Amino acid sequence: GIQVEQSPPDLILQEGANSTLRCNFSDSVNNLQWFHQNPWGQLINLFYIPSGTKQNGRLSATTVATERYSLLYISSSQTTDSGVYFCAVIYGGATNKLIFGTGTLLAVQP
Amino acid sequence: ETGVTQTPRHLVMGMTNKKSLKCEQHLGHNAMYWYKQSAKKPLELMFVYNFKEQTENNSVPSRFSPECPNSSHLFLHLHTLQPEDSALYLCASSHSTSGGVPREQFFGPGTRLTVL
Repeated sequence: GIQVEQSPPDLILQEGANSTLRCNFSDSVNNLQWFHQNPWGQLINLFYIPSGTKQNGRLSATTVATERYSLLYISSSQTTDSGVYFCAVIYGGATNKLIFGTGTLLAVQP
Repeated sequence: ETGVTQTPRHLVMGMTNKKSLKCEQHLGHNAMYWYKQSAKKPLELMFVYNFKEQTENNSVPSRFSPECPNSSHLFLHLHTLQPEDSALYLCASSHSTSGGVPREQFFGPGTRLTVL
């Protein structure tokens, strides 16, 4: 099956810093989503981005499907950005089975 | 608030108990999902329903029994669970994938289950 790897596994930032999170996948994908899981477990949708670039406020994401990776950029980080960031993909003939990466644990310190 | 609600938010049960988890979506979707998030493991899909019909069972033990009475509600019935079943159980919904096009999935807040 497809492998979804995220890096770095852990990241500590000072408030106001910028960061880039990476998601590599081992096969072509039909869909890619980025999520933020808050400390209470809620998964919050950030981007639905099988290819191209999207921006939403301080966050932006780029997926280069031909090279099998996606990047999530966080600018001017805030303490509320803390939590785990997951990418998840759908690949092959499946249309509804999200395969999650192992996540990046982000801690933003004041 | 994602438009997907789950109850209860926390549940503690013994191995001989029977309990049910409930999920409701207010997004007009036709596909619903159960996922499991265990400590130290990636989230993994358990079941998929499209238009109330189960379309995927990801080799889940029979002590987990899903039910989808309509497109807005999804249940997970639990019986004779094991301590290793303790996890965060997440429900999700999306527009139907029957047309062969992957759809964006939206998640509920989860039920944190502890099996004693």
